[in-house]
Amino acid sequence: NAGVTQTPKFRVLKTGQSMTLLCAQDMNHEYMYWYRQDPGMGLRLIHYSVGEGTTAKGEVPDGYNVSRLKKQNFLLGLESAAPSQTSVYFCASRPRGQGIETQYFGPGTRLLVL
Amino acid sequence: LAKTTQPISMDSYEGQEVNITCSHNNIATNDYITWYQQFPSQGPRFIIQGYKTKVTNEVASLFIPADRKSSTLSLPRVSLSDTAVYYCLVGDIFSGGYNKLIFGAGTRLAVHP
Repeated sequence: NAGVTQTPKFRVLKTGQSMTLLCAQDMNHEYMYWYRQDPGMGLRLIHYSVGEGTTAKGEVPDGYNVSRLKKQNFLLGLESAAPSQTSVYFCASRPRGQGIETQYFGPGTRLLVL
Repeated sequence: LAKTTQPISMDSYEGQEVNITCSHNNIATNDYITWYQQFPSQGPRFIIQGYKTKVTNEVASLFIPADRKSSTLSLPRVSLSDTAVYYCLVGDIFSGGYNKLIFGAGTRLAVHP
C-alpha cells in the first residue's frame, strides 16, 4: 500500500514548454486534489475531482488543466509553462463521506520554470 | 471562509512543552479546527481536529475555548523531530468534495538540542 505517489519528483522546464504531473493513489479514494505551495506560503488549491471523469476548479486554476480518466489517477497539465508556475505541487486524496482528517498528501513535485 | 492568524515562527528546546495559538475570530457554526504538520520536502500530515473544549491524541492536544475564536495546539515534551511547520485550518470539513479549508503560512517551529 503506497498511499499517494507523485511523478516526477523534480523537473526543470523552459518557458513555454508543456508537461504533465501524475498523481496516483491506491486507497480507492473518490476525491483527489492538486495544490501548489510557494515559499513561505501555505497550500493553494488548483483543481480537484470528486470522482472518475469529473473535475472542478479550485482557488488558482489559471494555466493548469486536469484529467481524471481513472479513479486512481489525477493528472495535472501545464500547456505552456511560465516562471510564475515555479512551485512545489502536492496531490492529495480522501474517501467520500469522510472528514478532512482522512485526507492524505503525496510527497510533492518540485517544478522549476526558467 | 474563516481566516486564521498564527505566529510565523517559534523556537523551543527538547523536552519542553510547546503551545501554538491560532486566532479565528470569524469561525462559523459548522466549522471545525484542524491542525496539520509539514516536514521539509514532505506533504502536510493531519495531526488533530476538534470542534470545542479539548481533544487529545497520541501526538498532541487541542484546546478550544467556549467562544471558539481561538485554539491552542499543545505538543508535550517536544523532540528535534517535531521541527516542522504547523498549520491551523478552519472550515466545514463535511462540505462535499471541495476543501473549503485554507492553508495559511503556518507556524515554523524549530526545536533545539
